[in-house]
Amino acid sequence: GAGVSQSPRYKVTKRGQDVALRCDPISGHVSLYWYRQALGQGPEFLTYFNYEAQQDKSGLPNDRFSAERPEGSISTLTIQRTEQRDSAMYRCASSLNRRNTGELFFGEGSRLTVL
Amino acid sequence: GESVGLHLPTLSVQEGDNSIINCAYSNSASDYFIWYKQESGKGPQFIIDIRSNMDKRQGQRVTVLLNKTVKHLSLQIAATQPGDSAVYFCAETEYNFNKFYFGSGTKLNVKP
Repeated sequence: GAGVSQSPRYKVTKRGQDVALRCDPISGHVSLYWYRQALGQGPEFLTYFNYEAQQDKSGLPNDRFSAERPEGSISTLTIQRTEQRDSAMYRCASSLNRRNTGELFFGEGSRLTVL
Repeated sequence: GESVGLHLPTLSVQEGDNSIINCAYSNSASDYFIWYKQESGKGPQFIIDIRSNMDKRQGQRVTVLLNKTVKHLSLQIAATQPGDSAVYFCAETEYNFNKFYFGSGTKLNVKP
């Protein structure tokens, strides 16, 4: 596709349910990032992949959060046993990860609301 | 973690005037910085970047200034237009482009 695609765009779930958020990066982009953005705040780093390898997951809030990118392309962020505090905009970004630029291309985001 | 913050949460300017958006960072090891623009309902969009071996870089109507001594970054927008109205974020990383830290953002309002 032309840009980073995320689905679903909006997800409303009840507390305790599991959710899976999908990210389809720009074709050929090596690196894929997951960020969480609260209203009026800057994106907060969650985790990062180079190809299929998860390079850094230090930003994941707790062990209810996990991410995978099994074939080095599409990635899924999974939140188990959701809590109200998990409500936020979840943004995926991808990049070429070349030495001359660190530009991240962001998707439109997945808005998660936990009731 | 590292702290990247902005001095002014909201900036209002008249159309045609120049805008200056400021950002402070705390990690002296950061050596690459990016400014992003985020319009309502959209994801952040790259504007301009600068490496730590530079103190100034110019783009189209935008200039980024880096002062490593005081760990300060600024974005200057010349002849500000209504389409420049958005929230602007600075982001920093160490040179491995691994983990970008974003500031909390400055909202720019351009008055016609």
